[in-house]
Amino acid sequence: NAGVTQTPKFQVLKTGQSMTLQCAQDMNHNSMYWYRQDPGMGLRLIYYSASEGTTDKGEVPNGYNVSRLNKREFSLRLESAAPSQTSVYFCASSPLPPSSPPETQYFGPGTRLLVL
Amino acid sequence: GQSLEQPSEVTAVEGAIVQINCTYQTSGFYGLSWYQQHDGGAPTFLSYNALDGLEETGRFSSFLSRSDSYGYLLLQELQMKDSASYFCAVGSYNQGGKLIFGQGTELSVKP
Repeated sequence: NAGVTQTPKFQVLKTGQSMTLQCAQDMNHNSMYWYRQDPGMGLRLIYYSASEGTTDKGEVPNGYNVSRLNKREFSLRLESAAPSQTSVYFCASSPLPPSSPPETQYFGPGTRLLVL
Repeated sequence: GQSLEQPSEVTAVEGAIVQINCTYQTSGFYGLSWYQQHDGGAPTFLSYNALDGLEETGRFSSFLSRSDSYGYLLLQELQMKDSASYFCAVGSYNQGGKLIFGQGTELSVKP
């Protein structure tokens, strides 16, 4: 049972390049989330998915797109990377839907992204 | 809007007890969660309070007062491995149940 996995672990991009961050979970969870964490800051929600085929915007969605490919996988795409998107990106999953008290979210190890 | 406040840093010695406070402002509040994050690692869930009172899980306890919009995380018998960042997070019906995280408290445990 790997839990939540993310690839890549590290990535350096030039401004304007695109890339996709991958996330997968093997816990049969319905809800999945993408967060970003900047130095000295808490986590800010980018997008979330309550179930396969549905996605919704979070607090900071601008500059990102997501795809819930199937129940296991939830990817985050940067179409044209900007230095302001330099951050650590965490994927999380939960057995409960977003409208229920999220007692527990399980986080992946993170992707460290640097945009030059 | 939504806001959470917690101290940015706390220092304590091994074996001591430390309390990390969290005050929040949110409409449609339904619960307060606590997460631990070691440097460079993933956040991990510690505890959750939906009702007023104290929840105890081993050396860690969490308290909530809904009337005061206030909660705290209490860590007892501190160990060096407890050095980490601790985040409070509120769940709000007005936010579709999604978590809003505080900026985190960095706890340093000294020998």
